[in-house]
Amino acid sequence: DAGITQSPRHKVTETGTPVTLRCHQTENHRYMYWYRQDPGHGLRLIHYSYGVKDTDKGEVSDGYSVSRSKTEDFLLTLESATSSQTSVYFCAISETGAPWALHFGNGTRLTVT
Amino acid sequence: ELKVEQNPLFLSMQEGKNYTIYCNYSTTSDRLYWYRQDPGKSLESLFVLLSNGAVKQEGRLMASLDTKARLSTLHITAAVHDLSATYFCAGGYGGSQGNLIFGKGTKLSVKP
Repeated sequence: DAGITQSPRHKVTETGTPVTLRCHQTENHRYMYWYRQDPGHGLRLIHYSYGVKDTDKGEVSDGYSVSRSKTEDFLLTLESATSSQTSVYFCAISETGAPWALHFGNGTRLTVT
Repeated sequence: ELKVEQNPLFLSMQEGKNYTIYCNYSTTSDRLYWYRQDPGKSLESLFVLLSNGAVKQEGRLMASLDTKARLSTLHITAAVHDLSATYFCAGGYGGSQGNLIFGKGTKLSVKP
């Protein structure tokens, strides 16, 4: 999957606990993204990064923070997990030029009980 | 605000038949994407359409873009079981190429 590794692949956690998901790429792409997928909603952008230490919010960023200290790693943190954050989380990377296709990781299934 | 609507959301087809999935978007988008997702798997990029009138084909799938009508279509020719999957369209917005608004997906089931 275009050199993208997400970890963990599955996680069950309790409401109120902090959770960090990791995305690691080997493609040296500048842009990295976190999306969540929920039934009936398609995919929605949480946060994205356009370089080391450069990040911005997407359409559903509340309750999430991100960090990117190295080109290859993009971390998504749920500071205090809630049941509404139960979802499948996908990391994606994109090329800098056309055709700008997103390449997705295999996803992390997160369950908040 | 960009909104993307796909229809139908569910599609049951017989092998050998043709059908079209429609993707309407609400405001100007400079790029339109089609992805495929198999159950429990990641998303696979199928097509990227960047200009009005763009048409791309891969095997039994053909995608087109009409920016004036704000419509993209994914046409399936002579469907086979292996095409069973969920298909998403997505429109690009904002300064970052990966800021996409996805449709809800069309779950395609091809039956013998």
